Amino acid sequence: GQQVMQIPQYQHVQEGEDFTTYCNSSTTLSNIQWYKQRPGGHPVFLIQLVKSGEVKKQKRLTFQFGEAKKNSSLHITATQTTDVGTYFCAGSGNTPLVFGKGTRLSVIA
Amino acid sequence: DSGVTQTPKHLITATGQRVTLRCSPRSGDLSVYWYQQSLDQGLQFLIQYYNGEERAKGNILERFSAQQFPDLHSELNLSSLELGDSALYFCASSVDPAGVYEQFFGPGTRLTVL
Repeated sequence: GQQVMQIPQYQHVQEGEDFTTYCNSSTTLSNIQWYKQRPGGHPVFLIQLVKSGEVKKQKRLTFQFGEAKKNSSLHITATQTTDVGTYFCAGSGNTPLVFGKGTRLSVIA
Repeated sequence: DSGVTQTPKHLITATGQRVTLRCSPRSGDLSVYWYQQSLDQGLQFLIQYYNGEERAKGNILERFSAQQFPDLHSELNLSSLELGDSALYFCASSVDPAGVYEQFFGPGTRLTVL
């Protein structure tokens, strides 16, 4: 079945450093979504990418969807302590969303 | 607040027991999804219902079952509980049956099996 792999599993950064998490699917996706889960919270939708090669920005967050629609990345510029949490990608193909295992981001002030 | 409600918030029970988790989707959402999140694990998709009908099944154990009622709320039944079933169970809802649009997650039910 469809699998979505996400790396790294953990990332510790100093406040102000950049952060990137990568997502790879075993199959071509129709769309990819990104969610953030704060510690003790529930996943919250961040964004959806649909088009091949699409790039979207939300303030310090940049999301990319690969040309082949099999990979995606989330880049955070100049991390802040409010960025702490686990970032999940979730791909949709012929099945409901398949979530990656997430990247847990720690930000050291 | 996502608009999705889940009860109870916490549940502590013993091995071999049966529990029922409840979820009310956002107003207007016809799809309900159930996920299991264990420590250091991602979100494992269990099952999806759309407008009362089972739509998709993931890695749901035979000891687990779910249903969606005419008022669109959903219940997840877990029976013959084992220690390994201890996890956070999330319900999510969306407007569409295909998982194309964003999902709104409830606050979760933390199940502890002793």
